[in-house]
Amino acid sequence: ETGVTQSPTHLIKTRGQQVTLRCSSQSGHNTVSWYQQALGQGPQFIFQYYREEENGRGNFPPRFSGLQFPNYSSELNVNALELDDSALYLCASSPRQGTIYEQYFGPGTRLTVT
Amino acid sequence: QQQVKQSPQSLIVQKGGISIINCAYENTAFDYFPWYQQFPGKGPALLIAIRPDVSEKKEGRFTISFNKSAKQFSLHIMDSQPGDSATYFCAAGTLGSRLTFGEGTQLTVNP
Repeated sequence: ETGVTQSPTHLIKTRGQQVTLRCSSQSGHNTVSWYQQALGQGPQFIFQYYREEENGRGNFPPRFSGLQFPNYSSELNVNALELDDSALYLCASSPRQGTIYEQYFGPGTRLTVT
Repeated sequence: QQQVKQSPQSLIVQKGGISIINCAYENTAFDYFPWYQQFPGKGPALLIAIRPDVSEKKEGRFTISFNKSAKQFSLHIMDSQPGDSATYFCAAGTLGSRLTFGEGTQLTVNP
């Protein structure tokens, strides 16, 4: 069984540019959540996708957007990058069935904005 | 009401000792409380989790204690080992929804 994978591993962008991060969920998982983890802090919820629809959003501006595809993989897009967007971006998948709560994280994408 | 407060920020324990990390939450709607372990450069790994219908859950050397009336829960690591040195995060959530994380505890276990 393959775990959650994310690409790329590292990324360096310039302020004002746009970036797309990708996530493949664990086999059998149909829900994907994205989190931003600034250095030395806990992950902060960005949004969640379930069956290709956004299913909850945290306190992030509209320039953070996402997609989920029929195979349950997902993308996180960030427009007009700001220096404060530099962080580890984590994707977590979960088998949203009945009373299953667990979220399993990928290794993350380290984004540096200069 | 969405905050989860975690303490201490850092913890140093001798090999074989007990590591204790505490968390407190405000939102009474939370009904799922996981702990994650994160090594440098890696994503958080689910360690152990508890629902509020039990006061304690043990898996190997890891135990969660839960106090619903006080809105507090804690992680105990028995017989701590150098390999346990990592950052630990508590979190709280509801069914199928977002997780709210604490700020993390950097644990160092000295040999």
